[in-house]
Amino acid sequence: GAGVSQSPSNKVTEKGKDVELRCDPISGHTALYWYRQRLGQGLEFLIYFQGNSAPDKSGLPSDRFSAERTGESVSTLTIQRTQQEDSAVYLCASSLQGYYEQYFGPGTRLTVT
Amino acid sequence: DQQVKQNSPSLSVQEGRISILNCDYTNSMFDYFLWYKKYPAEGPTFLISISSIKDKNEDGRFTVFLNKSAKHLSLHIVPSQPGDSAVYFCAASSTGNQFYFGTGTSLTVIP
Repeated sequence: GAGVSQSPSNKVTEKGKDVELRCDPISGHTALYWYRQRLGQGLEFLIYFQGNSAPDKSGLPSDRFSAERTGESVSTLTIQRTQQEDSAVYLCASSLQGYYEQYFGPGTRLTVT
Repeated sequence: DQQVKQNSPSLSVQEGRISILNCDYTNSMFDYFLWYKKYPAEGPTFLISISSIKDKNEDGRFTVFLNKSAKHLSLHIVPSQPGDSAVYFCAASSTGNQFYFGTGTSLTVIP
């Protein structure tokens, strides 16, 4: 079946602009995660959605970052007024409820100039 | 505050030999650990996991060892193959909500 997909694969934006990143999880996966990977760093947790429960937003680095998820499907991560330090690969992952193993998308490489 | 650490950024091993990748953690509340493999321009893929109630889990050529007293886990790949060349991340969780990842170890298997 189809894996996790993300779009766009690459995004170059000017400092101060807003960007929206999209994630389509695997069908039936109730859990969805967003991570950020800066150059030379590990994956940094941003936000977690589980079904209809309130999301765990504790990893969002500032109020410029927000994410939404429609039911158990598509999620969008929005970064407002982008800064150069937001440049990173943004990864989305999904998993079945009760399982720790996550399935990752290919990521969106964001470059803020 | 890096709760999961992979202190070796890179490792080179001859084909057929054993590869040992190490990971240390600081949070004693972590109860589930995973290893992921990542090729360039792709997302990480799940490799193997271990719960804190075990000290070893084996899957084919891959074995993960957990030493809770030392807060250390390792991934053994035997025998190593050129296709194993990738970046390996360890990850840990205590809640299943948040996962903490190391910075990765780049493995090169030399034919």
